[in-house]
Amino acid sequence: KAGVTQTPRYLIKTRGQQVTLSCSPISGHRSVSWYQQTPGQGLQFLFEYFSETQRNKGNFPGRFSGRQFSNSRSEMNVSTLELGDSALYLCASSLNPAGGQETQYFGPGTRLLVL
Amino acid sequence: GENVEQHPSTLSVQEGDSAVIKCTYSDSASNYFPWYKQELGKGPQLIIDIRSNVGEKKDQRIAVTLNKTAKHFSLHITETQPEDSAVYFCAATRAQKLVFGQGTRLTINP
Repeated sequence: KAGVTQTPRYLIKTRGQQVTLSCSPISGHRSVSWYQQTPGQGLQFLFEYFSETQRNKGNFPGRFSGRQFSNSRSEMNVSTLELGDSALYLCASSLNPAGGQETQYFGPGTRLLVL
Repeated sequence: GENVEQHPSTLSVQEGDSAVIKCTYSDSASNYFPWYKQELGKGPQLIIDIRSNVGEKKDQRIAVTLNKTAKHFSLHITETQPEDSAVYFCAATRAQKLVFGQGTRLTINP
C-alpha cells in the first residue's frame, strides 16, 4: 500500500504571496492532519480533517486554512506569507473510523521557504 | 491544553549500549502515546506506541513504558546500532491532535 504523499516537496515563495500544499492519504484513510515543523517551535498541530469537515484546529492564525475532498485528499493554504512561515509542512493520515487514538502516518513533508 | 516535555535533547551512546528517552505530559485525559523517529529529509516514522490501558510494550529492541500516575512515559532502545541515529519524538493525544515533545537527537558512536 502506498504511503502518504505530499506535493510539492520543495517550494520557494516571497512574502505576501500565498501557497497551496497537497496531501494524498494512505488508501482507505479518512482522517488527514497537518503539522508545521520548525527548528524553534518543533512540531505543531495545524488542523485535522475528517469526512471533508475540520474536526480539530491548532493555534495558528486564520491565514492558515485547509480543506478535504470527498476522496480524502487534502490541501492546506497559507495566505499573505511571512518569513516565519518557512517550515516543513507535514501531513499525516489515519483510519479513524470513529475518532479516538488512531495511529497517524506521516508523509515526507513539503519544505517551504519564504524570502 | 496538553504540554509534553522531552529529555534529553541530545544523547550520544556507544554502539551496543542502551538508550533511554523520557517524556512527561500534563493532560491526564491523554490516552495515546506514540514515538516517532525522523531521519534527515524524511517525515516522522512511527516506531512504537502505547495506549493508556497498557503499562509496557515491547517490539524487538524497542520498548515503551507508561506511568499514568506520574504522567510520564519512556522509550528504551537496547543493543543500539548505527542506523538508530536519528531524532526521536514522543507525543501525547486524546483525540487526533498530537502534541509533540521537542525531540531527542540520538547519535550512536561506533
